[in-house]
Amino acid sequence: SQTIHQWPATLVQPVGSPLSLECTVEGTSNPNLYWYRQAAGRGLQLLFYSVGIGQISSEVPQNLSASRPQDRQFILSSKKLLLSDSGFYLCAWSRDSETGELFFGEGSRLTVL
Amino acid sequence: AQSVAQPEDQVNVAEGNPLTVKCTYSVSGNPYLFWYVQYPNRGLQFLLKYITGDNLVKGSYGFEAEFNKSQTSFHLKKPSALVSDSALYFCAVRDVGYNKLIFGAGTRLAVHP
Repeated sequence: SQTIHQWPATLVQPVGSPLSLECTVEGTSNPNLYWYRQAAGRGLQLLFYSVGIGQISSEVPQNLSASRPQDRQFILSSKKLLLSDSGFYLCAWSRDSETGELFFGEGSRLTVL
Repeated sequence: AQSVAQPEDQVNVAEGNPLTVKCTYSVSGNPYLFWYVQYPNRGLQFLLKYITGDNLVKGSYGFEAEFNKSQTSFHLKKPSALVSDSALYFCAVRDVGYNKLIFGAGTRLAVHP
Protein backbone atom coordinates (compact mmCIF):
# COMPACT_ATOMS: atom_id res chain seq x y z
CA SER A 1 0.00 0.00 0.00
CA GLN A 2 1.02 3.59 -0.50
CA THR A 3 2.01 5.92 2.31
CA ILE A 4 3.03 9.55 2.47
CA HIS A 5 5.25 11.07 5.12
CA GLN A 6 5.78 14.69 6.00
CA TRP A 7 8.25 16.20 8.44
CA PRO A 8 8.71 17.97 10.65
CA ALA A 9 5.19 17.95 12.05
CA THR A 10 5.68 21.28 13.81
CA LEU A 11 8.23 24.00 13.38
CA VAL A 12 8.79 27.37 15.03
CA GLN A 13 11.21 29.61 13.17
CA PRO A 14 12.31 33.24 13.47
CA VAL A 15 11.70 35.71 10.69
CA GLY A 16 14.52 35.65 8.18
CA SER A 17 15.55 32.06 8.85
CA PRO A 18 15.55 29.33 6.17
CA LEU A 19 12.95 26.60 5.81
CA SER A 20 12.94 23.05 4.58
CA LEU A 21 9.86 20.82 4.72
CA GLU A 22 10.18 17.35 3.32
CA CYS A 23 7.66 14.93 1.90
CA THR A 24 8.18 11.37 0.69
CA VAL A 25 5.84 8.84 -0.83
CA GLU A 26 6.24 5.09 -0.60
CA GLY A 27 4.64 2.25 -2.49
CA THR A 28 4.14 3.93 -5.85
CA SER A 29 6.23 5.29 -8.69
CA ASN A 30 6.07 8.50 -10.72
CA PRO A 31 3.38 10.13 -8.57
CA ASN A 32 2.14 13.64 -9.08
CA LEU A 33 3.17 15.66 -6.00
CA TYR A 34 1.64 18.76 -4.48
CA TRP A 35 2.24 21.35 -1.77
CA TYR A 36 -0.80 23.13 -0.35
CA ARG A 37 -0.95 25.75 2.38
CA GLN A 38 -3.91 26.09 4.69
CA ALA A 39 -4.27 29.37 6.58
CA ALA A 40 -6.50 29.84 9.62
CA GLY A 41 -7.87 26.29 9.44
CA ARG A 42 -9.90 26.84 6.31
CA GLY A 43 -9.24 27.03 2.60
CA LEU A 44 -6.38 25.33 0.81
CA GLN A 45 -4.08 27.20 -1.50
CA LEU A 46 -2.08 25.20 -4.04
CA LEU A 47 1.53 26.34 -3.94
CA PHE A 48 3.40 23.92 -6.19
CA TYR A 49 2.85 20.72 -8.09
CA SER A 50 5.16 18.36 -9.88
CA VAL A 51 4.55 15.69 -12.50
CA GLY A 52 8.12 14.38 -12.54
CA ILE A 53 11.67 14.76 -11.27
CA GLY A 54 12.86 18.32 -11.67
CA GLN A 55 9.47 19.46 -13.02
CA ILE A 56 7.91 22.08 -10.77
CA SER A 57 4.90 24.28 -11.48
CA SER A 58 4.38 27.29 -9.25
CA GLU A 59 0.87 28.51 -8.65
CA VAL A 60 1.48 31.62 -6.60
CA PRO A 61 4.48 33.97 -6.67
CA GLN A 62 5.87 34.05 -3.17
CA ASN A 63 8.73 33.59 -0.83
CA LEU A 64 8.78 29.82 -1.21
CA SER A 65 10.28 27.34 -3.66
CA ALA A 66 9.92 23.62 -4.27
CA SER A 67 12.21 20.92 -5.56
CA ARG A 68 11.84 17.28 -6.54
CA PRO A 69 15.28 15.72 -6.40
CA GLN A 70 13.97 12.16 -6.52
CA ASP A 71 10.85 10.51 -7.92
CA ARG A 72 9.08 10.25 -4.58
CA GLN A 73 10.56 13.19 -2.71
CA PHE A 74 9.18 16.71 -2.67
CA ILE A 75 10.78 19.55 -0.71
CA LEU A 76 9.40 22.96 0.17
CA SER A 77 11.99 25.62 0.94
CA SER A 78 12.55 29.23 1.75
CA LYS A 79 15.76 31.20 2.08
CA LYS A 80 14.23 33.82 4.40
CA LEU A 81 10.93 33.28 6.15
CA LEU A 82 8.32 36.00 6.52
CA LEU A 83 5.63 36.25 9.19
CA SER A 84 3.06 35.63 6.48
CA ASP A 85 4.59 32.22 5.77
CA SER A 86 3.03 30.85 8.95
CA GLY A 87 0.44 28.18 8.28
CA PHE A 88 -0.33 24.52 7.91
CA TYR A 89 1.49 22.95 4.96
CA LEU A 90 0.11 19.84 3.35
CA CYS A 91 1.85 17.55 0.92
CA ALA A 92 -0.21 15.29 -1.30
CA TRP A 93 0.25 12.79 -4.10
CA SER A 94 -1.92 11.37 -6.84
CA ARG A 95 -1.63 8.92 -9.67
CA ASP A 96 -1.15 10.38 -13.10
CA SER A 97 -4.82 10.40 -13.95
CA GLU A 98 -7.55 12.97 -14.42
CA THR A 99 -9.85 10.97 -12.20
CA GLY A 100 -7.42 10.17 -9.43
CA GLU A 101 -7.93 11.54 -5.98
CA LEU A 102 -5.22 13.16 -3.90
CA PHE A 103 -3.81 11.49 -0.83
CA PHE A 104 -2.58 13.85 1.85
CA GLY A 105 0.14 13.72 4.45
CA GLU A 106 -0.49 14.69 8.05
CA GLY A 107 0.74 18.23 7.57
CA SER A 108 3.48 20.47 8.93
CA ARG A 109 2.53 23.41 11.12
CA LEU A 110 4.91 26.32 10.67
CA THR A 111 4.93 29.30 13.03
CA VAL A 112 7.16 32.21 12.11
CA LEU A 113 7.91 34.58 14.98
CA ALA B 1 -11.87 27.93 -15.36
CA GLN B 2 -13.04 25.29 -12.93
CA SER B 3 -14.35 26.41 -9.56
CA VAL B 4 -16.25 25.04 -6.61
CA ALA B 5 -18.34 26.82 -3.98
CA GLN B 6 -19.40 25.75 -0.51
CA PRO B 7 -22.07 28.27 0.48
CA GLU B 8 -22.18 27.41 4.20
CA ASP B 9 -19.38 28.22 6.60
CA GLN B 10 -20.90 25.97 9.24
CA VAL B 11 -23.63 23.37 9.47
CA ASN B 12 -25.13 22.35 12.80
CA VAL B 13 -26.94 19.04 13.16
CA ALA B 14 -28.26 17.04 16.07
CA GLU B 15 -26.88 13.55 16.48
CA GLY B 16 -29.04 10.98 14.72
CA ASN B 17 -30.47 13.49 12.26
CA PRO B 18 -29.62 13.48 8.56
CA LEU B 19 -26.96 15.90 7.41
CA THR B 20 -26.27 17.70 4.15
CA VAL B 21 -23.20 19.72 3.27
CA LYS B 22 -23.65 21.70 0.08
CA CYS B 23 -21.34 22.10 -2.88
CA THR B 24 -21.83 23.65 -6.29
CA TYR B 25 -19.37 23.59 -9.14
CA SER B 26 -18.50 25.25 -12.42
CA VAL B 27 -16.57 23.32 -15.07
CA SER B 28 -16.00 23.59 -18.78
CA GLY B 29 -16.12 19.85 -19.45
CA ASN B 30 -16.94 16.67 -17.59
CA PRO B 31 -16.93 17.30 -13.84
CA TYR B 32 -14.68 15.16 -11.69
CA LEU B 33 -15.78 15.91 -8.13
CA PHE B 34 -14.41 14.93 -4.74
CA TRP B 35 -15.20 15.22 -1.03
CA TYR B 36 -12.61 15.28 1.73
CA VAL B 37 -12.79 15.50 5.52
CA GLN B 38 -10.25 17.11 7.83
CA TYR B 39 -10.02 16.59 11.58
CA PRO B 40 -8.16 19.18 13.71
CA ASN B 41 -4.45 19.39 12.97
CA ARG B 42 -4.62 16.49 10.54
CA GLY B 43 -4.30 16.04 6.81
CA LEU B 44 -7.31 15.68 4.53
CA GLN B 45 -8.91 12.27 4.16
CA PHE B 46 -10.60 11.22 0.94
CA LEU B 47 -14.31 10.38 1.34
CA LEU B 48 -15.67 9.81 -2.16
CA LYS B 49 -15.59 10.93 -5.77
CA TYR B 50 -17.84 11.22 -8.79
CA ILE B 51 -16.35 10.48 -12.17
CA THR B 52 -19.21 9.06 -14.20
CA GLY B 53 -22.14 6.68 -13.82
CA ASP B 54 -24.67 6.64 -10.98
CA ASN B 55 -25.55 10.04 -9.60
CA LEU B 56 -25.49 8.71 -6.03
CA VAL B 57 -21.96 7.95 -4.92
CA LYS B 58 -21.24 6.04 -1.73
CA GLY B 59 -18.09 6.62 0.24
CA SER B 60 -16.33 6.10 3.53
CA TYR B 61 -17.89 6.30 7.03
CA GLY B 62 -21.46 6.06 5.71
CA PHE B 63 -21.27 9.23 3.63
CA GLU B 64 -22.74 9.59 0.19
CA ALA B 65 -23.01 12.39 -2.34
CA GLU B 66 -25.56 13.17 -4.99
CA PHE B 67 -24.42 14.52 -8.33
CA ASN B 68 -26.97 16.79 -9.98
CA LYS B 69 -25.92 17.99 -13.41
CA SER B 70 -28.83 20.38 -13.96
CA GLN B 71 -28.19 22.15 -10.67
CA THR B 72 -24.39 21.76 -10.93
CA SER B 73 -24.33 20.46 -7.39
CA PHE B 74 -22.58 17.68 -5.52
CA HIS B 75 -24.01 17.71 -1.99
CA LEU B 76 -22.57 15.47 0.70
CA LYS B 77 -25.10 13.53 2.77
CA LYS B 78 -25.39 11.10 5.62
CA PRO B 79 -28.67 9.58 6.88
CA SER B 80 -27.77 9.70 10.57
CA ALA B 81 -25.07 12.02 11.92
CA LEU B 82 -22.61 11.06 14.64
CA VAL B 83 -20.82 13.40 17.03
CA SER B 84 -17.58 11.99 15.61
CA ASP B 85 -18.54 13.35 12.17
CA SER B 86 -17.79 16.84 13.47
CA ALA B 87 -14.97 18.11 11.27
CA LEU B 88 -14.13 20.37 8.33
CA TYR B 89 -15.40 19.17 4.96
CA PHE B 90 -14.01 20.15 1.59
CA CYS B 91 -15.49 19.77 -1.86
CA ALA B 92 -13.07 19.75 -4.79
CA VAL B 93 -13.13 19.66 -8.57
CA ARG B 94 -10.43 18.39 -10.88
CA ASP B 95 -9.00 21.13 -13.08
CA VAL B 96 -9.44 19.35 -16.39
CA GLY B 97 -6.24 19.28 -18.39
CA TYR B 98 -4.19 20.04 -15.31
CA ASN B 99 -2.94 17.70 -12.64
CA LYS B 100 -4.49 19.45 -9.66
CA LEU B 101 -7.64 19.78 -7.57
CA ILE B 102 -9.42 23.05 -6.88
CA PHE B 103 -10.85 23.09 -3.35
CA GLY B 104 -13.80 24.93 -1.90
CA ALA B 105 -13.41 27.08 1.20
CA GLY B 106 -14.63 24.29 3.46
CA THR B 107 -17.69 23.79 5.64
CA ARG B 108 -17.42 23.11 9.33
CA LEU B 109 -19.85 20.44 10.47
CA ALA B 110 -20.84 20.43 14.13
CA VAL B 111 -22.89 17.48 15.35
CA HIS B 112 -24.43 18.04 18.78
CA PRO B 113 -25.34 15.23 21.20
